[in-house]
Amino acid sequence: AQTVTQSQPEMSVQEAETVTLSCTYDTSENNYYLFWYKQPPSRQMILVIRQEAYKQQNATENRFSVNFQKAAKSFSLKISDSQLGDTAMYFCAFMSTLTGNQFYFGTGTSLTVIP
Amino acid sequence: NAGVTQTPKFRILKIGQSMTLQCTQDMNHNYMYWYRQDPGMGLKLIYYSVGAGITDKGEVPNGYNVSRSTTEDFPLRLELAAPSQTSVYFCASSYSSRRSEKLFFGSGTQLSVL
Repeated sequence: AQTVTQSQPEMSVQEAETVTLSCTYDTSENNYYLFWYKQPPSRQMILVIRQEAYKQQNATENRFSVNFQKAAKSFSLKISDSQLGDTAMYFCAFMSTLTGNQFYFGTGTSLTVIP
Repeated sequence: NAGVTQTPKFRILKIGQSMTLQCTQDMNHNYMYWYRQDPGMGLKLIYYSVGAGITDKGEVPNGYNVSRSTTEDFPLRLELAAPSQTSVYFCASSYSSRRSEKLFFGSGTQLSVL
């Protein structure tokens, strides 16, 4: 089974600063997808960014970017110019292409942006 | 443009009662999933379906049942509710296109079993 590990239960960052959230995963697959989802207090799950394992280039979405290290099985999320609205729970997720497109989630990192 | 719709949003059950969480999506997605979210535990897959008539167990299926009679609907049935089933439940769907995989989530159901 695939496992996703987020080793930082809680983090905080000053508004306008940069923060990096860590994620590692374990898989024997070669083709898969990785995601970061954001869950604000509203409970809604929102896709932040998506990475395809066969692509070398790191994905970026505005202030959000990833550092994807396939050999190290690492997938960290960098948030630049942090905003108060970034305060949320962040989940790293792995999608298997071999087992019915199953998604596996980490335990989450609670990020607080301090004004 | 409804996306994934879950009902109810909140529910309190007594031990031993049964209920069905409804989930429907209007995006013609072939994959559908049920997750539960417990504090500090992330999301755990309960059941999933790769298409109408096909369902399979996830990581934590005990105490639950599902059916997928149509592409749109994927209800989750709780039989004989137990306090351990107190959780937030999310229904989700995805479309396998090898270019746009991502999960679309419903807004969640907060279930308390007392």
